[in-house]
Amino acid sequence: DADVTQTPRNRITKTGKRIMLECSQTKGHDRMYWYRQDPGLGLRLIYYSFDVKDINKGEISDGYSVSRQAQAKFSLSLESAIPNQTALYFCATSDLAGTGYKTDTQYFGPGTRLTVL
Amino acid sequence: KQEVTQIPAALSVPEGENLVLNCSFTDSAIYNLQWFRQDPGKGLTSLLLIQSSQREQTSGRLNASLDKSSGRSTLYIAASQPGDSATYLCAGSITQGGSEKLVFGKGTKLTVNP
Repeated sequence: DADVTQTPRNRITKTGKRIMLECSQTKGHDRMYWYRQDPGLGLRLIYYSFDVKDINKGEISDGYSVSRQAQAKFSLSLESAIPNQTALYFCATSDLAGTGYKTDTQYFGPGTRLTVL
Repeated sequence: KQEVTQIPAALSVPEGENLVLNCSFTDSAIYNLQWFRQDPGKGLTSLLLIQSSQREQTSGRLNASLDKSSGRSTLYIAASQPGDSATYLCAGSITQGGSEKLVFGKGTKLTVNP
């Protein structure tokens, strides 16, 4: 089974609809991230969470919200979807190794392809 | 603001060739540099991570180097194979605004022709 799973894998919706993308992980990591990937723009960070009580805005948080329901779950919501939110969305996790170095290796889910019409 | 640039955007080589992918970053205050592989329609797979105190990492046919003073990292792929065809992304871990973030380049799309 995959360590980081995302649901749904594909979603087509209409402008103005509320959408929730879900991410679950079995790696036991504290840190979770949401990115979007657009052609020509690369990956951009939307929100991240370093533990259950911690939520931080990333580079492009406007129009999005998140919820860290548990260590293993981190969901991304679009309250009122718009066409320019059409993109590939990735969830990722990471953990700090207790060595004094910040390893911060990130493990990515398979992605959710969202289309807003 | 940290920016990560990858050149070239696309590369096509014949099977068996050795090749180098380039990554440059504007701020030397990164604490590690990571290389990922992304296959079409799929997520990212971490290949190599170089911590700021290191200069290179090796895994099989892959070797990644990091030169913080010049703001550059390279990914060397030896004896390329068609299965190496994918998009390769580099990303630098930085502390920005008191928080830690991963800043990605836009990737190099590699095609290895049989």
